[in-house]
Parts: sequence; C-alpha cells; structure tokens
Amino acid sequence: GAGVSQSPSNKVTEKGKDVELRCDPISGHTALYWYRQSLGQGLEFLIYFQGNSAPDKSGLPSDRFSAERTGGSVSTLTIQRTQQEDSAVYLCASSAAGNSYEQYFGPGTRLTVT
Amino acid sequence: DAKTTQPNSMESNEEEPVHLPCNHSTISGTDYIHWYRQLPSQGPEYVIHGLTSNVNNRMASLAIAEDRKSSTLILHRATLRDAAVYYCILGGTGANNLFFGTGTRLTVIP
Repeated sequence: GAGVSQSPSNKVTEKGKDVELRCDPISGHTALYWYRQSLGQGLEFLIYFQGNSAPDKSGLPSDRFSAERTGGSVSTLTIQRTQQEDSAVYLCASSAAGNSYEQYFGPGTRLTVT
Repeated sequence: DAKTTQPNSMESNEEEPVHLPCNHSTISGTDYIHWYRQLPSQGPEYVIHGLTSNVNNRMASLAIAEDRKSSTLILHRATLRDAAVYYCILGGTGANNLFFGTGTRLTVIP
C-alpha cells in the first residue's frame, strides 16, 4: 500500500517568507509526527498528533512554527518568517494507534532558506 | 529522555555479520529498545524493537543484556544496501516521539 508522502520534496525560499509543508500519512494511521533533521544531525521532534486529542507541541522551536491536521489525516507544517537556521530536512511519520514504536517515515522535504 | 550511547561509525565487510552496540545505562523498567536505520537521502525506517527478551525478525536480531543496560543489533550478513545510520532509541510504546541521537554510521565494504 501507499506509504507516507510529503510535498514538496524540495523547497527554496527567501528569508522572511512563509512556507507550508504537507504530509499525507498512511491511511488509517491515527498518529502523526513531525521531525526535522539538520545536516549531519539526528532527528529533532517537533510536534505529534494523535486522533482528536490536543497535539503535543513541545518540540516546536519557536512561535513561528505551527502545524495542523485536518480531518485526522493530512497535516501541514507552517513556518512563518523563515530564517536561515530553519534550513533542514523536515520529516513526517505516522503510526497506528498504540504502535508509536513503529513509525513510518516519509521521504522528507528539504527546505533551504536563502 | 533516557539517553543511549553508540559508536559514531563502524565498518563491515560484505556478507559478514555486523554487531552494532548500544549502551543505555539509565533505561527505565518501561522503556522499550527501538532500532531504526536511515539510508542515504531517505527517512528513517523501523528495524526492530524489544523489551527484555532477544528478538528476531526478517531484517535483524536484537540481543538485550540481562540487566537491560546495553543491547546489540545484529545483521547476520551485511549487504551494501545495509550501509546506513543506525539509531538506538529508548521509549515506551505510548511515547509521543522517539529521541533520535546521532546514531552509528555503518559502512559496508565490498
């Protein structure tokens, strides 16, 4: 079946502009996660959605970052007034309910802020 | 987050077994041990997980020390496709997220 998909695969934007990154999780997966990975680094947790519960936003680095999940499926990560330090690969993952240990990752969106 | 310690890099010859170590001396009683790997230019993929007993699946085996303060991921016959960064991660099944450190970069030599 279809895996996690993300779009766009690459995004180049100018400093100060807003960007939206999209994630389509695996159908039926109730949990959705956003991470980011800077060059040569491990993954940094950003935000977690589980069903209709309030999201865990504890990993968002600043108030310029926000995310929403519509209809319990597709999620959008928005970065406002982008900065050069926001340049990274943004990864989305999903998992079935109760199986957070087995997360399925998308290919990521490479964001470059110039 | 409970921390894990892994070597930065390891090398293996193709078709030989590989033992990737992980230390987690501060593991709690409810923490599972998860392993993921990340192939070049891809998102991480789940490999295996366990709690106390050794585990086997089609990808690898996981050997867990009796005191659970360390574990070893075993690839029985390394292939070139196994070249990746391997992450050892602790967390409960209800954890909201997985804490990925910097992992072990495995190089497979033909």
